[in-house]
Amino acid sequence: AQTVTQSQPEMSVQEAETVTLSCTYDTSESNYYLFWYKQPPSRQMILVIRQEAYKQQNATENRFSVNFQKAAKSFSLKISDSQLGDTAMYFCAFMKHGLGNEKLTFGTGTRLTIIP
Amino acid sequence: NAGVTQTPKFQVLKTGQSMTLQCAQDMNHEYMSWYRQDPGMGLRLIHYSVGAGITDQGEVPNGYNVSRSTTEDFPLRLLSAAPSQTSVYFCASSYSYRERPYEQYFGPGTRLTVT
Repeated sequence: AQTVTQSQPEMSVQEAETVTLSCTYDTSESNYYLFWYKQPPSRQMILVIRQEAYKQQNATENRFSVNFQKAAKSFSLKISDSQLGDTAMYFCAFMKHGLGNEKLTFGTGTRLTIIP
Repeated sequence: NAGVTQTPKFQVLKTGQSMTLQCAQDMNHEYMSWYRQDPGMGLRLIHYSVGAGITDQGEVPNGYNVSRSTTEDFPLRLLSAAPSQTSVYFCASSYSYRERPYEQYFGPGTRLTVT
């Protein structure tokens, strides 16, 4: 079974600064997907970014980027130029590759607060 | 498209009562699932379905039943509610791996309290 660990329960950073959220995972699979989801106070789950394990290039989406270290099983999220709207819970998630493996395994989350 | 809808948004039950949480999607997704979210534990998979008539258990299935008679609907039934089932419940859907395996769409959640 897969496990996902987020070791930072809470973080805070000043607006406009850069912050990095950590995620490690454990799996025996060689091909899989990794995700970061954002959950603002509205409770809606929003996909921030995804990474396919067979791609060496780190994924980026505007101010969000990841540092994917496959050998170390590490998948951190960097938020640049942080904004007040980035205040939310952030969840790291894992999905195995292949038909019938669409289910997600989540970490316990990191509560991020952006300070004005 | 309405996306993934869930009803009700909030519910309070007494121990032993039964109820059904409704989930519907209008995107013709094959895959649907139910998660529960508890403080400090992230989201955990309860049950999932890879298509109409096919369901399977996730990580925490005890106390819950599901069925999938149509592609659009995936209700979650609590047979005899217990305080341990107090949680926020999310329904999610996606295309199957054959198409786009990573576009999971979540509903707005149902906050359930069992007293």
